[in-house]
Amino acid sequence: AQSVAQPEDQVNVAEGNPLTVKCTYSVSGNPYLFWYVQYPNRGLQFLLKYITGDNLVKGSYGFEAEFNKSQTSFHLKKPSALVSDSALYFCAVREAGAGSYQLTFGKGTKLSVIP
Amino acid sequence: DGGITQSPKYLFRKEGQNVTLSCEQNLNHDAMYWYRQDPGQGLRLIYYSQIVNDFQKGDIAEGYSVSREKKESFPLTVTSAQKNPTAFYLCASLPLAGGGGKEADFGHGTRLTVV
Repeated sequence: AQSVAQPEDQVNVAEGNPLTVKCTYSVSGNPYLFWYVQYPNRGLQFLLKYITGDNLVKGSYGFEAEFNKSQTSFHLKKPSALVSDSALYFCAVREAGAGSYQLTFGKGTKLSVIP
Repeated sequence: DGGITQSPKYLFRKEGQNVTLSCEQNLNHDAMYWYRQDPGQGLRLIYYSQIVNDFQKGDIAEGYSVSREKKESFPLTVTSAQKNPTAFYLCASLPLAGGGGKEADFGHGTRLTVV
């Protein structure tokens, strides 16, 4: 069975400081990894993904994430946080090449950027 | 505009009633998903479908039913057997053509409340 862990329920960071939101995963084969953001009472918006190739992937709004196969991690990062980045962030995994397209999410991390 | 439409946005159900949540997509995506979101528990998979007339149970299928009679539509029925249905429900879709690695698109959600 595949799973995603987001060990922090909440992350607080001052505006202008770098931010990191952590994600580790478990999957039988190779992973496809995704980050999504959710604003209150809305659906999820896609930020970025790792499929193959370069371990550092860049996405929307200045976010990036680093895939680390040995640590089974896919942490989300941004060099300089904005107040508007405050939201709920979800990491997700799907097994590459599998016949099943089950998409599994973590519990989410609430990011608060303090002015 | 292409996208996923969930209706209604808010739904109130009396105890013992069945209710159906609508999800329609015009993205020509093959796979469709239903997730339930509760505070602190992230997104939990209820059902998913990869092709018409076929669907698979997710992690929390008990008390729910689905159908996939058309590629564009994946309605979710919350039955009276679901003892705690109050939650935010999210529908998603995913293209399967061209290999894996595509990201899922999400609707804006339906908030169901038992009264």
